[in-house]
Amino acid sequence: DAGVIQSPRHEVTEMGQEVTLRCKPISGHNSLFWYRQTMMRGLELLIYFNNNVPIDDSGMPEDRFSAKMPNASFSTLKIQPSEPRDSAVYFCASSRDSYTGELFFGEGSRLTVL
Amino acid sequence: KNQVEQSPQSLIILEGKNCTLQCNYTVSPFSNLRWYKQDTGRGPVSLTIMTFSENTKSNGRYTATLDADTKQSSLHITASQLSDSASYICVVSAYLGDDKIIFGKGTRLHILP
Repeated sequence: DAGVIQSPRHEVTEMGQEVTLRCKPISGHNSLFWYRQTMMRGLELLIYFNNNVPIDDSGMPEDRFSAKMPNASFSTLKIQPSEPRDSAVYFCASSRDSYTGELFFGEGSRLTVL
Repeated sequence: KNQVEQSPQSLIILEGKNCTLQCNYTVSPFSNLRWYKQDTGRGPVSLTIMTFSENTKSNGRYTATLDADTKQSSLHITASQLSDSASYICVVSAYLGDDKIIFGKGTRLHILP
């Protein structure tokens, strides 16, 4: 079975540009998570969807970040406008059972904002 | 404050040696604790899950322990291999109204030949 699929794997952009990260969760999983990982702060939850509905977006840093899940097989995380401090690895993960279940992570999208 | 603290931050050992990684948490009420392994450039992968009633669980050369009274967990790696070089992340799930997952910052393990 295919795991969680993320794209792009690497993105280099200039400050002020719009960035869109994409995620396809594992089929049959009801929950989808977006995380950001940096050396300093480790893994931080940005937003959590359950059955395509955003449940917890308290980790979204500011209005420049937005996430959508139009259907059970696709989600996007958008940053507009991007800033150098947004440089990080962004992970998408899915789970059968919301927070208490095992999280299956994608390979991540490494974002560099110059 | 709900926190997960891991130690050491990094560890270097020779191939074939054993090591133990520590995780202390203040999360309450406790649901479960997982250890994840994250290879460089990859996403984390679950190694073990511990619930409140479990003290020890093994997965090959990995053995996790849980002391729910002292809120401590450890991950013991036996006869380390070069492929064990990775970050190991302790993750605690809690019932806090809505369920919550709290991540530790991980221990970076380097295995030298």
